[in-house]
Amino acid sequence: KQEVTQIPAALSVPEGENLVLNCSFTDSAIYNLQWFRQDPGKGLTSLLLIQSSQREQTSGRLNASLDKSSGRSTLYIAASQPGDSATYLCAVRGSGAGSYQLTFGKGTKLSVIP
Amino acid sequence: DAGITQSPRYKITETGRQVTLMCHQTWSHSYMFWYRQDLGHGLRLIYYSAAADITDKGEVPDGYVVSRSKTENFPLTLESATRSQTSVYFCASKTSGYEQYFGPGTRLTVT
Repeated sequence: KQEVTQIPAALSVPEGENLVLNCSFTDSAIYNLQWFRQDPGKGLTSLLLIQSSQREQTSGRLNASLDKSSGRSTLYIAASQPGDSATYLCAVRGSGAGSYQLTFGKGTKLSVIP
Repeated sequence: DAGITQSPRYKITETGRQVTLMCHQTWSHSYMFWYRQDLGHGLRLIYYSAAADITDKGEVPDGYVVSRSKTENFPLTLESATRSQTSVYFCASKTSGYEQYFGPGTRLTVT
């Protein structure tokens, strides 16, 4: 059974810092990996999706990397802003036939202090 | 409005009652999903559907029923609500091979 772990569970940084969020998964047979952002009381917003054949994806100040063989992904946030404060979730989709299920980590709660 | 919507956004019900949560998407995505989010467990898949009239169980399907007669709608029914089903429920949709898009969620409290 796929397990996804995100460390740390919470992170507090001063505004302007660059930071890295970590995600690890136990089964390297994945189809893709997706990073989401969740604001309190809100739904999930997709940030980046990395297919299993890709090494990284970038969107603005965000860069996500994937090392499938070691079961790791990182989300790099450059020049953090208070508006980046949210919970960040990592999710993987298995590669088996009919495997549409996303397995989620429990998230990293990020606080960016002005 | 384009996108994926859920109704109601908040619901309080009593143990033993039947409750239906609605999900509607305007993209004509073939795949739709129901997740629940609980402290300490993260998001877990309840049911999913690959197309109209095709549904399958996820990780935690017990106590739930789904149907999908139209591509755009995917209702989730709790046949006899229990307190353990108090949770935040998220609906999601996607096209083949691409990312999932989530609705705003329904916060359900069973008393």
